[in-house]
Amino acid sequence: SQQGEEDPQALSIQEGENATMNCSYKTSINNLQWYRQNSGRGLVHLILIRSNEREKHSGRLRVTLDTSKKSSSLLITASRAADTASYFCATKGNGYNKLIFGAGTRLAVHP
Amino acid sequence: EAGVTQFPSHSVIEKGQTVTLRCDPISGHDNLYWYRRVMGKEIKFLLHFVKESKQDESGMPNNRFLAERTGGTYSTLKVQPAELEDSGVYFCASSLTTSQETQYFGPGTRLLVL
Repeated sequence: SQQGEEDPQALSIQEGENATMNCSYKTSINNLQWYRQNSGRGLVHLILIRSNEREKHSGRLRVTLDTSKKSSSLLITASRAADTASYFCATKGNGYNKLIFGAGTRLAVHP
Repeated sequence: EAGVTQFPSHSVIEKGQTVTLRCDPISGHDNLYWYRRVMGKEIKFLLHFVKESKQDESGMPNNRFLAERTGGTYSTLKVQPAELEDSGVYFCASSLTTSQETQYFGPGTRLLVL
């Protein structure tokens, strides 16, 4: 894989629980982004964290970045059924504009 | 403001046929990107336009794929002749400037080659 691994590949939880997804990457990066894809729809940008940042929050989302381990995690707190989707991390390297995506985590939140 | 749109939403063709996908970026966005996801694998970059110029086409798999962006507005991606392994979802994204870090994605075109 050009990106590395995302784990878990699939996650099934109950509404109200927290969901944590992890992403690892291989090369040095400028920033790391998380996207969501609902079934049959496009990718929606969730949050971006730069290489010099360690943690970022946006609403119920919390992202961490550990550049020494080349890994990131996305935490969704108090999950809702509407959070059911696939979540992808994507990295942007220095000097180029393309995004390199992970394989994604399929999250199912049950009412 | 309208988002990135793609046409068609689905396409089913036979091996050897030609298919042309279209992407309309967000109005005013100079940067346009094509990505694809085949066989449930990760989403992979195909190419990047800045206005009508190809900035980076390092992800184009082979010469059966031709992307154009005449006039620097909408873009087309033509696959000729299509092969079975071309089946997948083709995404288009746009950004206002090259330095803008967020890329806005369209809904994708689902291509099935039989």
